Amino acid sequence: GQNIDQPTEMTATEGAIVQINCTYQTSGFNGLFWYQQHAGEAPTFLSYNVLDGLEEKGRFSSFLSRSKGYSYLLLKELQMKDSASYLCAVTDSNYQLIWGAGTKLIIKP
Amino acid sequence: NAGVTQTPKFRILKIGQSMTLQCTQDMNHNYMYWYRQDPGMGLKLIYYSVGAGITDKGEVPNGYNVSRSTTEDFPLRLELAAPSQTSVYFCASSYSGTAGNTIYFGEGSWLTVV
Repeated sequence: GQNIDQPTEMTATEGAIVQINCTYQTSGFNGLFWYQQHAGEAPTFLSYNVLDGLEEKGRFSSFLSRSKGYSYLLLKELQMKDSASYLCAVTDSNYQLIWGAGTKLIIKP
Repeated sequence: NAGVTQTPKFRILKIGQSMTLQCTQDMNHNYMYWYRQDPGMGLKLIYYSVGAGITDKGEVPNGYNVSRSTTEDFPLRLELAAPSQTSVYFCASSYSGTAGNTIYFGEGSWLTVV
């Protein structure tokens, strides 16, 4: 079966750095997304990786290793507003988007 | 910039009732989707459409129906509501398929079946 694993919950301190990991086992691979979802709101797009390596976008970076079936989202200079769930999603060989359950990130002052 | 708009935001249904969740997008996107999100679970695809007049089942289509008569609108119909359909529903759209195209979500509809 197809599976995406992410930690259920993480806690970090304001101003610090946190890395949220995502591992996937899917039938083929056509790209990996990270979305942010604040409680009670819709998911919003953060990043997309299709080739190995690091994509940097401001305070957020996303890394992909296709050979390891692994990605991480790196959040720097954490702010209270970064408290949210972070969803990892993979497009498989049939162009179906498979979603992880999300990682709830709690930021403490 | 309206984006994806879905209504209603909250609804309580009795077992056996039917209802339609409305969804419209103003971005001229070809692809539209309906997802449900249950606590502790990933988003599950109910139905999707690649263009007007074309719909396909997703991972969890049972108990639901959709139509796509225009590019803008993609309503989701719940027939004979069951407690298992208590969930948060998200309508979404993208310009093309899921390979590299950002999916834009509506604000969600919280549905409770009692």
